[in-house]
Amino acid sequence: AQSVTQLDSQVPVFEEAPVELRCNYSSSVSVYLFWYVQYPNQGLQLLLKYLSGSTLVKGINGFEAEFNKSQTSFHLRKPSVHISDTAEYFCAVITTGGGNKLTFGTGTQLKVEL
Amino acid sequence: GAGVSQTPSNKVTEKGKYVELRCDPISGHTALYWYRQSLGQGPEFLIYFQGTGAADDSGLPNDRFFAVRPEGSVSTLKIQRTERGDSAVYLCASSPFWGDPNGYTFGSGTRLTVV
Repeated sequence: AQSVTQLDSQVPVFEEAPVELRCNYSSSVSVYLFWYVQYPNQGLQLLLKYLSGSTLVKGINGFEAEFNKSQTSFHLRKPSVHISDTAEYFCAVITTGGGNKLTFGTGTQLKVEL
Repeated sequence: GAGVSQTPSNKVTEKGKYVELRCDPISGHTALYWYRQSLGQGPEFLIYFQGTGAADDSGLPNDRFFAVRPEGSVSTLKIQRTERGDSAVYLCASSPFWGDPNGYTFGSGTRLTVV
């Protein structure tokens, strides 16, 4: 079985400050990892994904994430946030050979303040 | 279509009524997924179609929930005898094929409120 843990339910941060949203997963097999963003009253939009290769992946809107197999983590980072980054962020995992079923974490609400 | 389309965007129904939620996936996508997102939670898997058949319905909470995809394109999620606990946002997603690791494209969801 696979699961995804997002330790922080809310992260407040000032505009232009850096931010890190934490994600840990548990799986006994190889995984594909994803970060999705959800703006108010909208659907989920893919930010970035890790399939294989370089452990540092870059996504849209200046976000990046690093896959750490030994720590089973996939933390999301941005060096300087904007007000427009205020949204809910979801980490998700697919286990290879696991039926291509995305399993989501409970989400982290990023609130960017002036 | 250009994206995944879900209708209606909002649905208010009375407890005990029957509802249908529609999903129109991206043209050519053979895999289609339904998720449910309760307030303050991440999306939870309900059912997945490959073509016309339900390949995995292990996430359906009980037999009041049923989904079809008769022609391998549009899908309908059907909920009988709705309960207040069914209130949630129902999300549909599609991907080009089963096993595509690139993630899914999601629709904007249907917000179901049972009163």
